[in-house]
Amino acid sequence: EVQVVESGEGLVQPGGSLRLSCAASGFIFSNYAMHWVRQAPGRGLEYVSGMSSDGGSTYYADSVKDRFTISRDISKNTLYLQMGSLRVEDMAVYYCARSNGWYSGIDYWGQGTLVTVSS
Amino acid sequence: DIQMTQSPSTLSASVGDRVTITCRASQSISRWLAWYQQKPGKAPKLLIYKASTLESGVPSRFSGSGSGTEFTLTISSLQPDDFATYYCQQYTSYSRTFGQGTKVEIK
Repeated sequence: EVQVVESGEGLVQPGGSLRLSCAASGFIFSNYAMHWVRQAPGRGLEYVSGMSSDGGSTYYADSVKDRFTISRDISKNTLYLQMGSLRVEDMAVYYCARSNGWYSGIDYWGQGTLVTVSS
Repeated sequence: DIQMTQSPSTLSASVGDRVTITCRASQSISRWLAWYQQKPGKAPKLLIYKASTLESGVPSRFSGSGSGTEFTLTISSLQPDDFATYYCQQYTSYSRTFGQGTKVEIK
């Protein structure tokens, strides 16, 4: 069974850092593009970051560029999102998700993990 | 980044109605467009990719069309389980953006 499970939920002060993890199972991790998508309370979906299946290409939304870093550990089948210089507007549920290649819809999503940014 | 604009933002409809949601891209995205359904407190669910290809397991009352900059999602006969928020998403070369969403409410 395909699963992606996020962890790293937490409360952080503005300007702080947090790392999210996403453990993947049930599929060949290195064959899929992986993504982070977030949703602020009561708002729509916002694409945050993505990594191609070969790990050679990454993408960041302008709103997080130079503050967030996506990475993965193939040996652990785990995707990461290192978030720095956090702002109140980064507060959201963060979803980890996969797609079968870059040019494909996102077909499996995690349950989401909540990041709260508040002083 | 490519901007995606959905209309309407909210749609009130009854069970059995034919429903159409439009998504417009700020520049041509060929057919690199997906549609998702999201219910409160749940992760989104992929309905359609490549503008018109139905994801496995998705009921055939859902259909997608379009290319270039204008796309539509159609629900041929609205069912009780379809009341939800729908999002389009473009996925061109190393860029992905969502529309703002369309909430389908019970009339």
